Amino acid sequence: EADIYQTPRYLVIGTGKKITLECSQTMGHDKMYWYQQDPGMELHLIHYSYGVNSTEKGDLSSESTVSRIRTEHFPLTLESARPSHTSQYLCASSEVFKGAGLDKNIQYFGAGTRLSVL
Amino acid sequence: KNQVEQSPQSLIILEGKNCTLQCNYTVSPFSNLRWYKQDTGRGPVSLTIMTFSENTKSNGRYTATLDADTKQSSLHITASQLSDSASYICVVSDRGSTLGRLYFGRGTQLTVWP
Repeated sequence: EADIYQTPRYLVIGTGKKITLECSQTMGHDKMYWYQQDPGMELHLIHYSYGVNSTEKGDLSSESTVSRIRTEHFPLTLESARPSHTSQYLCASSEVFKGAGLDKNIQYFGAGTRLSVL
Repeated sequence: KNQVEQSPQSLIILEGKNCTLQCNYTVSPFSNLRWYKQDTGRGPVSLTIMTFSENTKSNGRYTATLDADTKQSSLHITASQLSDSASYICVVSDRGSTLGRLYFGRGTQLTVWP
């Protein structure tokens, strides 16, 4: 069982509100990720971090921002939420298993935050 | 273009029956392939992970196979249970970057009926 936690699990807010989705992991992983997933669709990487003070944009353009001040904490912020931001947001962290010349990057996911913007 | 395609999109089976889910990928250079189970409203949970040198990997009633030559993988579920109802996602990682970029399929939605 992975020790990665997301809060809140569900959030319904009005347009224009500022929100922060929390993600914490207690496994000491350096790499952390945020994914966006619409129903029945694949996960899309929106942000990732290699470690403290490192953040990068992912494959899918997102108006959200992230920060990584501490290893265990990787919050995502929307300054002004819109209905188009309605989606599920999944946080993940990863460790790398090295062996036989190949690395296995194992990602552990949180339970997700389901966001609805009215 | 790196892609992961899964079939079928959805599947309904009776409890106790077996089923096989398919995954085809074009990701290159290939690093590893993993199957995740995602319950509704939850985050994905890893079932198996295989590198190109591994042809099969089991995890209880789940058995994954990999053919790196044809770039195909399958997930076989034996003696299905109601709790197997979930989306099963095939994920392929490349070796092209230190990030180990992941490519996600859209998943197969499995429903097990009593």
